Amino acid sequence: DAGVIQSPRHEVTEMGQEVTLRCKPISGHDYLFWYRQTMMRGLELLIYFNNNVPIDDSGMPEDRFSAKMPNASFSTLKIQPSEPRDSAVYFCASSPRTGWEPQHFGDGTRLSIL
Amino acid sequence: AQKVTQAQTEISVVEKEDVTLDCVYETRDTTYYLFWYKQPPSGELVFLIRRNSFDEQNEISGRYSWNFQKSTSSFNFTITASQVVDSAVYFCALRAYNTDKLIFGTGTRLQVFP
Repeated sequence: DAGVIQSPRHEVTEMGQEVTLRCKPISGHDYLFWYRQTMMRGLELLIYFNNNVPIDDSGMPEDRFSAKMPNASFSTLKIQPSEPRDSAVYFCASSPRTGWEPQHFGDGTRLSIL
Repeated sequence: AQKVTQAQTEISVVEKEDVTLDCVYETRDTTYYLFWYKQPPSGELVFLIRRNSFDEQNEISGRYSWNFQKSTSSFNFTITASQVVDSAVYFCALRAYNTDKLIFGTGTRLQVFP
């Protein structure tokens, strides 16, 4: 079975540019989560969806960040405009439901904003 | 409030040594779930094991074993006869029954030297 697929794996861009990160969850999973990982703050939950509907976006740091899930097989996390402090590894994870079910993570996108 | 504490920031061992990674959690819920994830140097997050609060039976999987003790609110992870391939950051995580969010500890970096 295919796991969670994220693209791109690496992104290097200049400050001020728009960045779009993509995620394809595991088929049949109802929940999708976006995380950010940095040395200083560890793993942070940014936002999560249930059946394509955003449930909690309290972790989204600023209005520069937005996330969408137009259908069950695709989600995007967008940063506009990007800033150097946005440099981090961004993970997408999915699970069939919460509680007992573990979240399955993608390989992450390593984002560097110059 | 829920919290996961991994007090060991970094552990270094020599190959074939046994090593235990500590995880202490806090929750007021009677039903909850505990997880361990591994993050190797390549960066992906890999699910290792899950436990629910009603199952205190220890688990062994090859060289890996997990000790869940509700009396001390701990879910410790032991690697027997460690190998270089075990070098990674290991995360413990907690989810309460009535929430979707996974609360991660700060991780323990394990370095196994040949």
